[in-house]
Amino acid sequence: AQTVTQSQPEMSVQDAETVTLSCTYDTSENNYYLFWYKQPPSRQMILVIRQEAYKQQNATENRFSVNFQKAAKSFSLKISDSQLGDTAMYFCAFMKHDRPGNQFYFGTGTSLTVIP
Amino acid sequence: NAGVTQTPKFQVLKTGQSMTLQCAQDMNHEYMSWYRQDPGMGLRLIHYSVGAGITDQGEVPNGYNVSRSTTEDFPLRLLSAAPSQTSVYFCASSYEGNYEQYFGPGTRLTVT
Repeated sequence: AQTVTQSQPEMSVQDAETVTLSCTYDTSENNYYLFWYKQPPSRQMILVIRQEAYKQQNATENRFSVNFQKAAKSFSLKISDSQLGDTAMYFCAFMKHDRPGNQFYFGTGTSLTVIP
Repeated sequence: NAGVTQTPKFQVLKTGQSMTLQCAQDMNHEYMSWYRQDPGMGLRLIHYSVGAGITDQGEVPNGYNVSRSTTEDFPLRLLSAAPSQTSVYFCASSYEGNYEQYFGPGTRLTVT
C-alpha cells in the first residue's frame, strides 16, 4: 500500500509572507503523480498543483510551487505572497501511473491559517 | 455543465437505518470514486468504478455497496448505518489520461 505523510497538522503564516508545507510518500513505483489539493471552509476540494514523477522540473502555478525530490520521496508545497484566501486545509495526494480508475492516496492534511 | 453533484448535502441517520448517497457527473468521465473524510485521517477510498457495470473496492469498503448502471451516476449505499460511518463523503470523477480528480461538494453524514 502507498502511504502519504504530512507531518505538520497546523501551520500559520503572515499575509504576504512565504510558507512551505511538507509531504513525504512511500512507494516502490517509478511512474506516478503527486498532487496538492486545497480544501477551504466551503469543503470543496480544489486542485492546486500537480507533478509527474518522470519530470525533473518542479511544477509551478502562479504563487504556488513545489519542491519535488524523487530520491528522497519528498513533495513540498511553497506558497509565496500568502493571501487571506489561502487559509484552508491542504492535502498531499499520490496516484500510481496507469492505476485503474485513477485511485488517489491522501495525506492527513495541513491546516493553514493566513494571519492578516 | 454542473460538474460533479452530490445529494443530500447533510443527513442524519439512526443506527441501523439504510440510505443512498447520490452522485452524478455530466462530463462523460469513465472513472468515478467515493471517498470518506475523517478528522486526522485525510480522504480514504471506499469504492471506485472504471465504467458502467464495473466497480471495485478501495481501502475501506466494509459497510458500503455501489453500483454503476450508467456513466453519469454512481450511488453509494449504506445498508445498515453505524456510528463509525459518521463522516464527510466525497464523490469524484476523472478520465483516462487526465490524472486529476474532480470532486463533488460532499455530503456530511451523522449516524446517531
